[in-house]
Amino acid sequence: DARVTQTPRHKVTEMGQEVTMRCQPILGHNTVFWYRQTMMQGLELLAYFRNRAPLDDSGMPKDRFSAEMPDATLATLKIQPSEPRDSAVYFCASGIAGGDTQYFGPGTRLTVL
Amino acid sequence: SQKIEQNSEALNIQEGKTATLTCNYTNYSPAYLQWYRQDPGRGPVFLLLIRENEKEKRKERLKVTFDTTLKQSLFHITASQPADSATYLCALATGGGNKLTFGTGTQLKVEL
Repeated sequence: DARVTQTPRHKVTEMGQEVTMRCQPILGHNTVFWYRQTMMQGLELLAYFRNRAPLDDSGMPKDRFSAEMPDATLATLKIQPSEPRDSAVYFCASGIAGGDTQYFGPGTRLTVL
Repeated sequence: SQKIEQNSEALNIQEGKTATLTCNYTNYSPAYLQWYRQDPGRGPVFLLLIRENEKEKRKERLKVTFDTTLKQSLFHITASQPADSATYLCALATGGGNKLTFGTGTQLKVEL
């Protein structure tokens, strides 16, 4: 049963610290999405990649967030420095270019104190 | 401005009844619309997709309608069960490359 995996599942950190979240997309999927979910804003798209190249990162605060795909099996989302307003659940999803369905991971719950 | 609106209030219904959830949007022309289910502590799970040229789609106890004139989609669960209790999200295809924009979701609770 192929799944998207995310690590860590939970992260508590202090303001100003660097946070790195990792995602392993489903094998064979060439599109990867990063979302952030909060009670107030719901599920927001931060960035997405196709064939490891960034297609759209307009939803991401550029000054502190960065997203990369070092290889086809790993996507990373970094926040440096972190702020309390970054507290949220961060989801990674993957899919196939030309397909319509996105497959979500279990999320990383981030708390910035 | 662009908006996707779902009932922010929770929907409580009795087991066996039909649950109907609404998704309204403004200033979008989506090529398709999807519905996802999200359980607490988990990521959303895809349920159904309906394209702009389709009026209705069914899958087992689920039915989705899509009215591009009204800019509205309705999501129905017939013969609802307590196991259907979850948050349901609608998502619009809002750009190329499979890009989706999600509504804030409606929480459904099915009571015995």
